Amino acid sequence: GEDVEQSLFLSVREGDSSVINCTYTDSSSTYLYWYKQEPGAGLQLLTYIFSNMDMKQDQRLTVLLNKKDKHLSLRIADTQTGDSAIYFCAETSENYGGSQGNLIFGKGTKLSVKP
Amino acid sequence: DSGVTQTPKHLITATGQRVTLRCSPRSGDLSVYWYQQSLDQGLQFLIQYYNGEERAKGNILERFSAQQFPDLHSELNLSSLELGDSALYFCASSVEARRLGEQFFGPGTRLTVL
Repeated sequence: GEDVEQSLFLSVREGDSSVINCTYTDSSSTYLYWYKQEPGAGLQLLTYIFSNMDMKQDQRLTVLLNKKDKHLSLRIADTQTGDSAIYFCAETSENYGGSQGNLIFGKGTKLSVKP
Repeated sequence: DSGVTQTPKHLITATGQRVTLRCSPRSGDLSVYWYQQSLDQGLQFLIQYYNGEERAKGNILERFSAQQFPDLHSELNLSSLELGDSALYFCASSVEARRLGEQFFGPGTRLTVL
């Protein structure tokens, strides 16, 4: 079955870059996503990448996709204390039987940014 | 603010009871998804509705059911509640049933079963 894995914790200093990694198992994944969850809040879509792309950049965010290794990463440049949150990697696929469109999430990486 | 609303924000109930969680999707969104977030299982997809019809099922227990009404709001019904049902329940919406990508999440309902 499909599975998404992430490391649980990451701690960085303000101003440094953060890199959050994710591996997935479903080679038919069509889209891969990064969601952010702040304390007490719902999930906010940060960015997504289509599986035929290698990289996507959006302001301070850079997503890298290594399809061969099924590895996805999110780099946050100049990390700020406001970036402290849980970051979820997620995938979806056209091939999940009748479940097209629903998201399969990793367990989330808690990013702590120290001043 | 995603535009998705969920009520109530918190719910405390006892084992064996039945509760209903409500979700109003973003204006114009036809598809509604329900997810459960718990410490041990993480975020799991439960069920999806599109324009009033069930579209996909995930890891939803038989004690749970959902529906989407003509005005597109959705309700998730949880019955015979157990301690392990304590979790955050999120609703998300998207424009299409197979819009691969943009799901907008509500703030969640935190259910505590005592």
